[in-house]
Amino acid sequence: DVKVTQSSRYLVKRTGEKVFLECVQDMDHENMFWYRQDPGLGLRLIYFSYDVKMKEKGDIPEGYSVSREKKERFSLILESASTNQTSMYLCASSLATGGHNQPQHFGDGTRLSIL
Amino acid sequence: AQSVTQLGSHVSVSEGALVLLRCNYSSSVPPYLFWYVQYPNQGLQLLLKYTTGATLVKGINGFEAEFKKSETSFHLTKPSAHMSDAAEYFCAVRGGGADGLTFGKGTHLIIQP
Repeated sequence: DVKVTQSSRYLVKRTGEKVFLECVQDMDHENMFWYRQDPGLGLRLIYFSYDVKMKEKGDIPEGYSVSREKKERFSLILESASTNQTSMYLCASSLATGGHNQPQHFGDGTRLSIL
Repeated sequence: AQSVTQLGSHVSVSEGALVLLRCNYSSSVPPYLFWYVQYPNQGLQLLLKYTTGATLVKGINGFEAEFKKSETSFHLTKPSAHMSDAAEYFCAVRGGGADGLTFGKGTHLIIQP
């Protein structure tokens, strides 16, 4: 079974801090994704990566960056945290081969509060 | 660009009744459609995915979805609701390439005893 592990379930940080959210998958998936989830807005794509050291902007990349130094690990970075980045963050991974209906597998999420 | 509309942010049904969650999509490419479920304090779990050529797709936990190209719909159904079905349900569409999913805003399913 695919396992996507996010390093923290809950995180509290202060405005202006640099915040790192870590995600690791154990199924050798090429694609990895970061979403944020807000009530009434569903999930929105922040960034994705289809290979080591490769990244693509999603729908809401402003205020975020990502890092993928190893295939299994995808990090989301809040350069200078702000209160409007308080949210649930979900990491996902998927295979690149086998067609475009390959499902994404999600971690349990990190609930981030910026004070 | 792809988009997904889920009708009804909250749906309430009685235990044992039919569950119907609506999803309409807009896609400029052949749609790759998915339904996910999210239980409280958990990530998303795949319920089912659309397979090209199929009209009725069966998923886990007794759920199924009917693909209607003429109506651009992919509604989720379950014949008989169970208390354990109470959760948030998301319809999603994927474009070509490695880009991510576009999600609907979700429907919170409430099961009345």
